[in-house]
Amino acid sequence: KQEVTQIPAALSVPEGENLVLNCSFTDSAIYNLQWFRQDPGKGLTSLLLIQSSQREQTSGRLNASLDKSSGRSTLYIAASQPGDSATYLCAVSRGSYIPTFGRGTSLIVHP
Amino acid sequence: DGGITQSPKYLFRKEGQNVTLSCEQNLNHDAMYWYRQDPGQGLRLIYYSQIVNDFQKGDIAEGYSVSREKKESFPLTVTSAQKNPTAFYLCASSIEVGGAGTQYFGPGTRLLVL
Repeated sequence: KQEVTQIPAALSVPEGENLVLNCSFTDSAIYNLQWFRQDPGKGLTSLLLIQSSQREQTSGRLNASLDKSSGRSTLYIAASQPGDSATYLCAVSRGSYIPTFGRGTSLIVHP
Repeated sequence: DGGITQSPKYLFRKEGQNVTLSCEQNLNHDAMYWYRQDPGQGLRLIYYSQIVNDFQKGDIAEGYSVSREKKESFPLTVTSAQKNPTAFYLCASSIEVGGAGTQYFGPGTRLLVL
């Protein structure tokens, strides 16, 4: 059974820092990996989707990388801002199976 | 605007009462999902549906029921058999189960017990 772990569980940083969120998974036979953002009391918003054949995806200040062989993905946030404060979740899909979610990293960026 | 809507935003349940959470999508997606989210526990799958008139149990289906009579709609009923229903409920949809497509989520319904 696929297990997805996100480290750290919580992170507090000053504005302007570059930061890395980690996601690891136990079964490397994945179809894709997705990073989501969740604001308090809200639904999930998709940030980046990496197909298994890809190494990374970029959107603005966000960059997500995927290393299938080691079962790891990282989400890099450049020049963090208070508006980046949220919970970030990764989800791993394998073929026709339901995506497996990590528990998320709660990020606070303080001015 | 295409997307997923959930209603109500907040729902209060009395002891022994069944309540129904609404989920509607206009994305023309075949697959729809219900998740429960508790603090510190991440998302847990309750039910999912791959196509109209078909649905499958997820990891925590006990005390819940669903129907999928229309492609656009996937309502979730929290029955009186669910003894700890207080949680945040999220509905999602995708083109198909798994596959290469992304999941789209609704804004959620927070269920509280009176």
